[in-house]
Amino acid sequence: EVQLVESGGGLVKPGGSLRLSCAASGFTFSNAWMSWVRQAPGKGLEWVGRIKSKTDGGTTDYAAPVKGRFTISRDDSKNTLYLQMNSLKTEDTAVYYCTTEGYSSGWYGVDYWGQGTLVTVSS
Amino acid sequence: QSALTQPASVSGSPGQSITISCTGTSSDVGGYNYVSWYQQHPGKAPKLMIYEVSNRPSGVPDRFSGSKSGNTASLTISGLQAEDEADYYCSSYTSSSLYVFGTGTKVTVL
Repeated sequence: EVQLVESGGGLVKPGGSLRLSCAASGFTFSNAWMSWVRQAPGKGLEWVGRIKSKTDGGTTDYAAPVKGRFTISRDDSKNTLYLQMNSLKTEDTAVYYCTTEGYSSGWYGVDYWGQGTLVTVSS
Repeated sequence: QSALTQPASVSGSPGQSITISCTGTSSDVGGYNYVSWYQQHPGKAPKLMIYEVSNRPSGVPDRFSGSKSGNTASLTISGLQAEDEADYYCSSYTSSSLYVFGTGTKVTVL
């Protein structure tokens, strides 16, 4: 059974930093493409970014609102995904979900979801 | 990248069929067969219901079906049930190698 467990959320001041972690189990993490998706309170889903598997280059892609401020990384030895968030803004307040990307005829998008961790950016 | 456009709300009676639209552009929905649909109940994480336009993951009832025509994808729920009341989001791969979600649709079972 795929399990994704996020941690590291909390209250941070504007301009501050926070690192989220996601512990993965139930699948071969090193082969997986992983993404972060966020949801502001009462709002819709927003794709944040992705990291490919090392065998596929390990490269990252980011949505425009977070590019240059957020960094996604992975530690395949620990089956853990990270999201380093710097220069946080109030509009980054959201529940952050760790997700896997599914593969069929190609990588088709978000598949499994964690339970999410709340990040609140406020002074 | 602008969010895909969905109706804010759709409603139906038990047993009826409803359809939720998801409109994008030729750079996302119209250009790729990587459209997914997600169901989200209040306070819960989303759940994948449809991938690659019309494929259902194991365990998803066949009451849920997906299709696409041009720049618009659709999710149809046939034989609507009370437990189908939730928010639904579409998502598409884009020409920028990113993903974009829809604005979300609240489904109400009357």
